[in-house]
Amino acid sequence: GDSVTQMEGPVTLSEEAFLTINCTYTATGYPSLFWYVQYPGEGLQLLLKATKADDKGSNKGFEATYRKETTSFHLEKGSVQVSDSAVYFCALSDITGGNNRKLIWGLGTSLAVNP
Amino acid sequence: GAGVSQTPSNKVTEKGKYVELRCDPISGHTALYWYRQSLGQGPEFLIYFQGTGAADDSGLPNDRFFAVRPEGSVSTLKIQRTERGDSAVYLCASSLTGINTEAFFGQGTRLTVV
Repeated sequence: GDSVTQMEGPVTLSEEAFLTINCTYTATGYPSLFWYVQYPGEGLQLLLKATKADDKGSNKGFEATYRKETTSFHLEKGSVQVSDSAVYFCALSDITGGNNRKLIWGLGTSLAVNP
Repeated sequence: GAGVSQTPSNKVTEKGKYVELRCDPISGHTALYWYRQSLGQGPEFLIYFQGTGAADDSGLPNDRFFAVRPEGSVSTLKIQRTERGDSAVYLCASSLTGINTEAFFGQGTRLTVV
């Protein structure tokens, strides 16, 4: 079945450092790919998404490119801030289920950014 | 409401008891999902409603778990004879129906079975 594997955390960085969180997937169909973020004490929020190969999703300085050849969707940010401290989840949704857009999730990667 | 609302935010129950968890989706959202998130894990799909009907309940772990959405809006997840292994955060999400729609999540109900 479909699955998502993402880099284990926790990740600790200094402010303004470069961030990469790796995510790879396995899917039988043509999935859409997502990064969700969960800030402390808050619910899951969509950070960015890409719906087809070579699409780049971007938001709040974060980017991820849908790479079908490597089945990857790595999250990057050029300069992290303390406010980026959160748990990041990679997820996929396979469109072969008709209107069912259930998400298959990675385990999450905790990011702590120190001033 | 402005977002997906889940109540209660926390629930502590004794092993063997029955619990109900409520989800109020965003008005007009026809699709509703329940997920379960155990500590240190990503969310795990439980059930998907399209309108009033459960279109996919393949994620429900066993017959102690049941969910309803009688009027196509509010949904209730019901757990009978709770076990300690049911302790988790139960998440609800809603969305419009379509290919590129975004799912909006509630803050979850933290269930602790003691």
